Amino acid sequence: QLQLQESGPGLVKPSETLSLTCSVSGGSISSSGHYWDWIRQPPGKGLEWIGTIFYRGNTYYNPSLNSRVTISVDTSKNHFSLKLSSVTAADTAVYYCARRVSLTWYYDLWGRGTLVTVSS
Amino acid sequence: QTVVTQEPSFSVSPGGTVTLTCGLSSGSVSTAYYPSWYRQTPGQAPRTLIYRTDTRSSGVPDRFSGSILGNTAALTITGAQADDDSDYYCVLYMGSGISVFGAGTKLTVL
Repeated sequence: QLQLQESGPGLVKPSETLSLTCSVSGGSISSSGHYWDWIRQPPGKGLEWIGTIFYRGNTYYNPSLNSRVTISVDTSKNHFSLKLSSVTAADTAVYYCARRVSLTWYYDLWGRGTLVTVSS
Repeated sequence: QTVVTQEPSFSVSPGGTVTLTCGLSSGSVSTAYYPSWYRQTPGQAPRTLIYRTDTRSSGVPDRFSGSILGNTAALTITGAQADDDSDYYCVLYMGSGISVFGAGTKLTVL
């Protein structure tokens, strides 16, 4: 059964770059039928789509975060990654990785999420 | 930027029926937006309920149904149960790989 697992530092200093990785196990990230997304949820607030990547490297980002976000994929390691630069306290959130099904555009699989706190 | 609208909160009595909606700040929701619905309880990742407007995800009971209602997507819960007390999010696909989440509806069953 395919699973997703987020990993990375739980604490990042303001103005630095947040870096997270989502490891895919039990299946291949090189699927033509899926996109791989990052979604976040600030404490007590709603979900926000950050961006997505296809295994060939095509990316799409939330316009409100576009200038600070980079999503990449490493098919040899079967994982994809998120970098968010110039973070502030407003970037404190639970970060989820998720699999989105192509053509029907819904999430069929979610990671458990990881809390990242931005603080000095 | 397009905003996806949801009722901030709703309440339903046990055994009752409730319909949550998902709209657009400008324009109407149609099947072309591939509306999907998710339920989330505190501390947990979201769980998929409905996709492609009205298709139930595997294992979701048939008391959950999706539809287009006027100019919005809708999630109807019939025979509400105590454990339906959760946050509900809709997602709309905007094209070009971009999806937008609604702000969520907090459903209280009491």
